[in-house]
Amino acid sequence: NAGVTQTPKFRILKIGQSMTLQCTQDMNHNYMYWYRQDPGMGLKLIYYSVGAGITDKGEVPNGYNVSRSTTEDFPLRLELAAPSQTSVYFCASSYSTGKNTEAFFGQGTRLTVV
Amino acid sequence: AQSVAQPEDQVNVAEGNPLTVKCTYSVSGNPYLFWYVQYPNRGLQFLLKYITGDNLVKGSYGFEAEFNKSQTSFHLKKPSALVSDSALYFCAVSPDSGGYNKLIFGAGTRLAVHP
Repeated sequence: NAGVTQTPKFRILKIGQSMTLQCTQDMNHNYMYWYRQDPGMGLKLIYYSVGAGITDKGEVPNGYNVSRSTTEDFPLRLELAAPSQTSVYFCASSYSTGKNTEAFFGQGTRLTVV
Repeated sequence: AQSVAQPEDQVNVAEGNPLTVKCTYSVSGNPYLFWYVQYPNRGLQFLLKYITGDNLVKGSYGFEAEFNKSQTSFHLKKPSALVSDSALYFCAVSPDSGGYNKLIFGAGTRLAVHP
C-alpha cells in the first residue's frame, strides 16, 4: 500500500531553471494538495484539486502551476525557480470532501534554489 | 485572520514523564482540530482529530488531546513519554467555512524525550 508518493526526494536548482515535482496516490482520493514547509513555519497551501480537471489556488500560489489530468496524479511545476522557493514540498490527499477528514502526506521533496 | 498558535518551539521531557504540547486557535465557527506528527525525513502522519462530542480524544501511539472551547485550545497529551515520541508535532485546524478541506497549520513544536 504505497499511499502518497513524491519524486524526487531532493533537488538542487539554479535560479531561472524549471522543474516538475511529481505526486501520485493510489487511494482513489478526490482531494489533493501541495504544501510548502519553511523552517519555523507551518505548512502553507500552494494549490489544491477537488478532482480530475479541477484545480485552484491556495494561500501561496505565485511562481507555481499545477495540473490534474487523472485522479492519481497531481504534479507541481516551477517555471522560473527563485531562491524564495527553497523549501520542503509536501503533497497530500484526502478521501472525502468533508472538512473533518484527515490528510495523507507524501515524504516530501527538499528543494534548494541557488 | 484565522490562525493556529503553538507557543513552544520545543518541549523537553524525561522518558516516563507525562507530556503536553500546547495548541490554541483563532477561527470562526466550529472548527475541526487535528494533530499530526513528523518524524525526521518523513511526511506528516495523522495522530488524532476532534470533530464533535467528548472533549477528550484518543489517538495513535497512546496520545490524546483535550478540546477546550472556552479557551480555544487543543492540547496534545501523553501520560508516559517514550524516547521514540521525539518528533515534530503540528496542530492544524479546518474551519467549518470555506468550500474545500482547508487545513491551517501551526508552526510546529519539537518534542525531545530524554532517556
